[in-house]
Amino acid sequence: QSVLTQPPSVSGAPGQRVTISCTGSSSNIGADYDVHWYQQLPGTAPKLLIYGNTHRPSGVPDRFSGSKSGTSASLAITWLQAEDEADYYCQSYDNGLSGSVVFGGGTKLTVL
Amino acid sequence: QMQLVQSGAEVKKTGSSVRVFCKASGYTLTYRYVQWVRQAPGQALEWMGWITLLNGNTNYAQKLQDRVTITGDRSMSTTYMELSSLRSEDTAMYYCAVTRLPLGSDAFEIWGHGTMVTVSS
Repeated sequence: QSVLTQPPSVSGAPGQRVTISCTGSSSNIGADYDVHWYQQLPGTAPKLLIYGNTHRPSGVPDRFSGSKSGTSASLAITWLQAEDEADYYCQSYDNGLSGSVVFGGGTKLTVL
Repeated sequence: QMQLVQSGAEVKKTGSSVRVFCKASGYTLTYRYVQWVRQAPGQALEWMGWITLLNGNTNYAQKLQDRVTITGDRSMSTTYMELSSLRSEDTAMYYCAVTRLPLGSDAFEIWGHGTMVTVSS
């Protein structure tokens, strides 16, 4: 099991809005460590989508947004497009186990 | 243009070791954390460890700390990940990535293309 919990899958029709949750604990997200999000298209390396909970790197459309509250974080995608179909991962840091980077189990987004 | 170039695919026997390199092009790795992440077929990303080339400090995932060694050559902007006592479950795509800031907990801004390691008996 992953330290950060994500739903295995979400889906939505083109133009709709979807959210992906990332639930942690008091030793990672709840300890005020930043959450970052990655998009992984089939057969490619992950790509940074959101950093520092809410910030988009240059080139990432503003249809993607991130938020964080307590021990959880969320990624929202508005105006869903076919090209958004991918796997999405959240990442944070955990101060247990001698300190380590932790990932969520990933969420497969299907655009209907 | 900043990019990370990784070594090519490897096929290894059970019990052997593999060494994968990751070389930065277009910038220096000195002030970044270089992270190693692997992904077994159809599975999630798994963090393996990091190195900072500024002082050579490393941090490994507890699950792998007995078998993984990450080293670096600051002058060559290159890091190496060696995994020993290979098992079939080590079959995976191995990625290197660089953080935005000189902080181990920061986001992985740039990723290598990945190196496929296949372990068989």
